[in-house]
Amino acid sequence: GAVVSQHPSWVICKSGTSVKIECRSLDFQATTMFWYRQFPKQSLMLMATSNEGSKATYEQGVEKDKFLINHASLTLSTLTVTSAHPEDSSFYICSARDGWGSPYNEQFFGPGTRLTVL
Amino acid sequence: GIQVEQSPPDLILQEGANSTLRCNFSDSVNNLQWFHQNPWGQLINLFYIPSGTKQNGRLSATTVATERYSLLYISSSQTTDSGVYFCAVVVGEYGNKLVFGAGTILRVKS
Repeated sequence: GAVVSQHPSWVICKSGTSVKIECRSLDFQATTMFWYRQFPKQSLMLMATSNEGSKATYEQGVEKDKFLINHASLTLSTLTVTSAHPEDSSFYICSARDGWGSPYNEQFFGPGTRLTVL
Repeated sequence: GIQVEQSPPDLILQEGANSTLRCNFSDSVNNLQWFHQNPWGQLINLFYIPSGTKQNGRLSATTVATERYSLLYISSSQTTDSGVYFCAVVVGEYGNKLVFGAGTILRVKS
């Protein structure tokens, strides 16, 4: 149980294009999903928290117009990197938390999406 | 904000050896998780442990919340244990923030 998938696993795009990454909880309902970014040999940094049916909450320094997050259902959240530039190249990881029970339930992570912007 | 420090930053072990990884945090937390990130980037949940001790096979973890630290023990290490080990603490009123430490890079040699 507690499986989270991401698609695509890797993507290469040209500068100026937009890229959408999907995050799905496969066997549980996730009222809250999270998006992280990880640079090579570094730790994970939280970008934003998304709650189903409401606007995402972005961490300080994260441009909400650059990283559009939608959480339209209890099992799907999407991250769209708009007008991508080489500095947006990174490893993006989503996580999901079981919607029921304690708000401090553990988070389960997707396998990540490696984005390369040329 | 809260600081999460992990030690050691790097660790090289011979297969079969035991090790202890440490995670210190600077403030009270709602919960704590340990993860293993494999070479492909997937984070694997190891423990969800706000306090006390848990064991899962060759791995065990202990969190002493009052003293703000957690330990991860790996016994009889195997080459497949290689990777990065992260601890992360849950903070915030709604448990909406998971703050990660910098990680411990573990290499197990055969």
